[in-house]
Amino acid sequence: AQSVTQLGSHVSVSEGALVLLRCNYSSSVPPYLFWYVQYPNQGLQLLLKYTSVATLVKGINGFEAEFKKSETSFQLTKPSAHMSDAAEYFCAVSGYNNNDMRFGAGTRLTVKP
Amino acid sequence: EAQVTQNPRYLITVTGKKLTVTCSQNMNHEYMSWYRQDPGLGLRQIYYSMNVEVTDKGDVPEGYKVSRKEKRNFPLILESPSPNQTSLYFCASSPYPGGDQPQHFGDGTRLSIL
Repeated sequence: AQSVTQLGSHVSVSEGALVLLRCNYSSSVPPYLFWYVQYPNQGLQLLLKYTSVATLVKGINGFEAEFKKSETSFQLTKPSAHMSDAAEYFCAVSGYNNNDMRFGAGTRLTVKP
Repeated sequence: EAQVTQNPRYLITVTGKKLTVTCSQNMNHEYMSWYRQDPGLGLRQIYYSMNVEVTDKGDVPEGYKVSRKEKRNFPLILESPSPNQTSLYFCASSPYPGGDQPQHFGDGTRLSIL
């Protein structure tokens, strides 16, 4: 069975500062890992996914994530935050089938001017 | 434009009055699913469908029904809604059920059951 823990329900950064969102997962099989972003009044949009090809994955909007098997983590980063990055971010883990997909509780990112 | 469309976007109703939330995708996806989103709990899967006429329970199926008679449509039915079903609901789809497939989400339906 898969499960996800996102560390920190709220993260606040200044514009131009590093964004770092943490995610730890548990999986009984080699995992597929995803980061999604949710803007107000919208559905989730895929930022990036890890499918065991490369441990550093680049996504949209300047985000990237690193898979660390030894730490069972999938950390999302962006070197320089922009006001438009303010949103809620969800980490998700999946096994062999999509119905195994489990989402974290979400991290709300605030960007201060 | 490729999309997942949910209707209605917002609904306020009363306990016990049957309601249906429709979901339609125009991408010919095999896999579709329903989630509810509650603060502090993330998204929890209600039901999913691997293909036409193939549906199964997710983690929180109590009080909900679904059907998949056509590939593009996957309605969520609340036969006798109760206040604990007040939530934000999302329909999602993916090309096939493989775990490596990201899901495409609708914009959500906010249900309030009084």
